Amino acid sequence: GQQLNQSPQSMFIQEGEDVSMNCTSSSIFNTWLWYKQDPGEGPVLLIALYKAGELTSNGRLTAQFGITRKDSFLNISASIPSDVGIYFCAGVAGASGTYKYIFGTGTRLKVLA
Amino acid sequence: DAGITQSPRHKVTETGTPVTLRCHQTENHRYMYWYRQDPGHGLRLIHYSYGVKDTDKGEVSDGYSVSRSKTEDFLLTLESATSSQTSVYFCAISAGAQLGEQFFGPGTRLTVL
Repeated sequence: GQQLNQSPQSMFIQEGEDVSMNCTSSSIFNTWLWYKQDPGEGPVLLIALYKAGELTSNGRLTAQFGITRKDSFLNISASIPSDVGIYFCAGVAGASGTYKYIFGTGTRLKVLA
Repeated sequence: DAGITQSPRHKVTETGTPVTLRCHQTENHRYMYWYRQDPGHGLRLIHYSYGVKDTDKGEVSDGYSVSRSKTEDFLLTLESATSSQTSVYFCAISAGAQLGEQFFGPGTRLTVL
């Protein structure tokens, strides 16, 4: 099945650093979602993006999807050890009630204290 | 928290046995989904439901069946478990603005020996 491409695949960063990760697609999506998944848990929705080009924030997280609607980024500012995990993007296609969710391959984040 | 629980959380079974996984939600969501998550494949849709007794197949539905006799419960059955069905299974619901946001349960880790 189709998957969105995420980069980087994994990254090590120092505590306090800012982090940026991207998600790209060959298809257009009108809604983009960003999730975080901890080991042994289900993905947790971090941010939902509904308007191309508009920055959306949730605490230290900021996300946006491009005006082409084929890519999205997630930034984490001042990273902390609990930011460790796998981050997934998802593109949402279709109309309400018939949505299809296409997921990214994931970015594994490791934070060094 | 979208009020989603899954049971069991862990299960080990033998090849050829039937297995049923349960997803229970407490907030009357209409749309429910079953995914499996495997390394290298990400999240893949097995089946979904758009109402009581209304279900449809996803991209990896072979060997699986579902039932939804009540709004709150969505059951996934492996009719005759195979080792290739060893995976982590997630239930999800759609909610939020235009029902575009998807929220996941905690997952069931299934091992088929």
